[in-house]
Amino acid sequence: KAGVTQTPRYLIKTRGQQVTLSCSPISGHRSVSWYQQTPGQGLQFLFEYFSETQRNKGNFPGRFSGRQFSNSRSEMNVSTLELGDSALYLCASSDGAGPGNTIYFGEGSWLTVV
Amino acid sequence: GIQVEQSPPDLILQEGANSTLRCNFSDSVNNLQWFHQNPWGQLINLFYIPSGTKQNGRLSATTVATERYSLLYISSSQTTDSGVYFCAVDIYNFNKFYFGSGTKLNVKP
Repeated sequence: KAGVTQTPRYLIKTRGQQVTLSCSPISGHRSVSWYQQTPGQGLQFLFEYFSETQRNKGNFPGRFSGRQFSNSRSEMNVSTLELGDSALYLCASSDGAGPGNTIYFGEGSWLTVV
Repeated sequence: GIQVEQSPPDLILQEGANSTLRCNFSDSVNNLQWFHQNPWGQLINLFYIPSGTKQNGRLSATTVATERYSLLYISSSQTTDSGVYFCAVDIYNFNKFYFGSGTKLNVKP
C-alpha cells in the first residue's frame, strides 16, 4: 500500500505570493491533517479534514486554508506569503480518529519564502 | 492547550549504548504516539501507546497514563537511530496532536 504522498517536495516563493500544497492519503484513509514545522515553534497543528469536512483548526491566521476532496486528497493554501511562513509542511492521514487511531505522515513539503 | 515536554533535548551516544527518552504531558490523553524524524524530514511511526508497554525490536515504550508520562527505550543503539524523536498526544479525538519539542539523538560509530 502506498504511503502518504505530498507534492511538491520543495518550493521557493516570493513574499506576497500564494502557494498550494497537495496531499494524497493512504488508500482508504478518510482523515487528513496538516502540520507546520519550524525551528522556532516546532510542530504545530494547522487543520484536520474528515470526509471533506474540517473538524478542527489550529491557531493560524486566515491566510492558511485547506480543503478535502471526495477522494480524500487534500490541499492547503497559504495566501500573501510572509517570510515567517518558511517551514516544512507535513500532511498526515489516518482511517479515523480517537482511541486506537494511528496517523501516518508524508515526507513533507519544504517551503522557502524569499 | 496541553503541554508536552520532552527530555533530554539532546543526547549523544556511542554505538551500542542504551538510552531512555521521556515525555511528560499535562492532561489526560486519548492517544499518544512516538515518532522518529529522519534527516529528510519524514516522521516515522514508532509506537501508538496511550497506556501500557510495547516492544518492537530494540525499541520499547511505556506510558503511565495516571502519572502522565511516557518513556521510549532504545537499546544497543545504531548510527541509523540518529535523528529527532517526538512524542505527540491527542486529547480531542480529532487527530489534533500536540507535539513535544523533541529529543535530538546523535549516535556515534
